[in-house]
Amino acid sequence: GAVVSQHPSRVICKSGTSVKIECRSLDFQATTMFWYRQFPKKSLMLMATSNEGSKATYEQGVEKDKFLINHASLTLSTLTVTSAHPEDSSFYICSARVPGGWVNEQFFGPGTRLTVL
Amino acid sequence: KQEVTQIPAALSVPEGENLVLNCSFTDSAIYNLQWFRQDPGKGLTSLLLIQSSQREQTSGRLNASLDKSSGRSTLYIAASQPGDSATYLCAVRKGGSEKLVFGKGTKLTVNP
Repeated sequence: GAVVSQHPSRVICKSGTSVKIECRSLDFQATTMFWYRQFPKKSLMLMATSNEGSKATYEQGVEKDKFLINHASLTLSTLTVTSAHPEDSSFYICSARVPGGWVNEQFFGPGTRLTVL
Repeated sequence: KQEVTQIPAALSVPEGENLVLNCSFTDSAIYNLQWFRQDPGKGLTSLLLIQSSQREQTSGRLNASLDKSSGRSTLYIAASQPGDSATYLCAVRKGGSEKLVFGKGTKLTVNP
């Protein structure tokens, strides 16, 4: 299957700082990538859909000024958590849609564990 | 609003046992349903994807069924092994949408 990577895998930061997470499709071009958030013992929740060359589409309740998404190329999308606070601590996972075909399956990255002190 | 429920939340079985994980969804107008595996602190690995027109999919020891009209899917794992220990997630996708709606998962422990 298609490979999606994330960097960093784990990050610890101080409250008030900003953190950038990268999501890359390694062996295919992804016009659409997705950012999810996962709290312990909770479902993965879609935060936003990232489209190459255009603005991201955010799900209801997700602050777009808090979670900045940039999809500058066909293989890279970034999520920046601005002015992070302890409640932003979570597991962030991206996925990328393989273009073409009728299935449009999403492949997921390994996730990034963010801890805000 | 689509809601996905997975039962049980946790399951512990001895090695070699066959087992069934359950997934139910409230809106039957789905495009497809997908089963994933997630190891602790890791991302998701896709196991099986069933299109709405299909009844089941098989991969090795795994078999997933779909009854769209009743809003149910099952994941059958045959001859379970300790390496199968993980959290299994079910997700549905609505037609005309890219959005996946996930259940909370079933944490499976296979004891040697």
